[in-house]
Amino acid sequence: EAGVAQSPRYKIIEKRQSVAFWCNPISGHATLYWYQQILGQGPKLLIQFQNNGVVDDSQLPKDRFSAERLKGVDSTLKIQPAKLEDSAVYLCASTVKWASDEQFFGPGTRLTVL
Amino acid sequence: AQSVTQPDIHITVSEGASLELRCNYSYGATPYLFWYVQSPGQGLQLLLKYFSGDTLVQGIKGFEAEFKRSQSSFNLRKPSVHWSDAAEYFCAVANNAGNMLTFGGGTRLMVKP
Repeated sequence: EAGVAQSPRYKIIEKRQSVAFWCNPISGHATLYWYQQILGQGPKLLIQFQNNGVVDDSQLPKDRFSAERLKGVDSTLKIQPAKLEDSAVYLCASTVKWASDEQFFGPGTRLTVL
Repeated sequence: AQSVTQPDIHITVSEGASLELRCNYSYGATPYLFWYVQSPGQGLQLLLKYFSGDTLVQGIKGFEAEFKRSQSSFNLRKPSVHWSDAAEYFCAVANNAGNMLTFGGGTRLMVKP
């Protein structure tokens, strides 16, 4: 079974630039999550989708971050414009349905903002 | 809102010694509790989870955890640590709707030969 795919694996940008990350969850998984993991911290949930609807985005900085999951399959997370404090690993995860199910994590995208 | 505290940022144990990683949670009802492991260069992997029933749960790689409601704790244990267990360990809690997985800050485990 293929795992959660993410691209790119690494990205370096300057502050105020834009960046987008892509995630393809495990086939058949209804729920998709984006997390931000700052160095030395645990992952922080940014947004949770179930199919193509948003379940929770209370911790997403909506003035600069946006995410979509068209057709309920793959998803894109965008930052526009980026700030220095956005430097982190962005993790995508998916579950069959609920967060109480096992979450399968992708390898992450490491973002460095200069 | 739920929260998770992992009091130990770093722990070093000798290979073959026993291990206990602490986790305290805050949540008004019975939570869903998880332990994940993150090895260098690898993604997060589920070790074990607790929803209800027996408060001692067994996981992969010889790990177990005990849910203690009175102490709001869900500590992870392993009787004999292997060098390959060196990694970062995260405790996490989801609410009883099965949403909003919240992670603790993690404990980095180092294993001495």
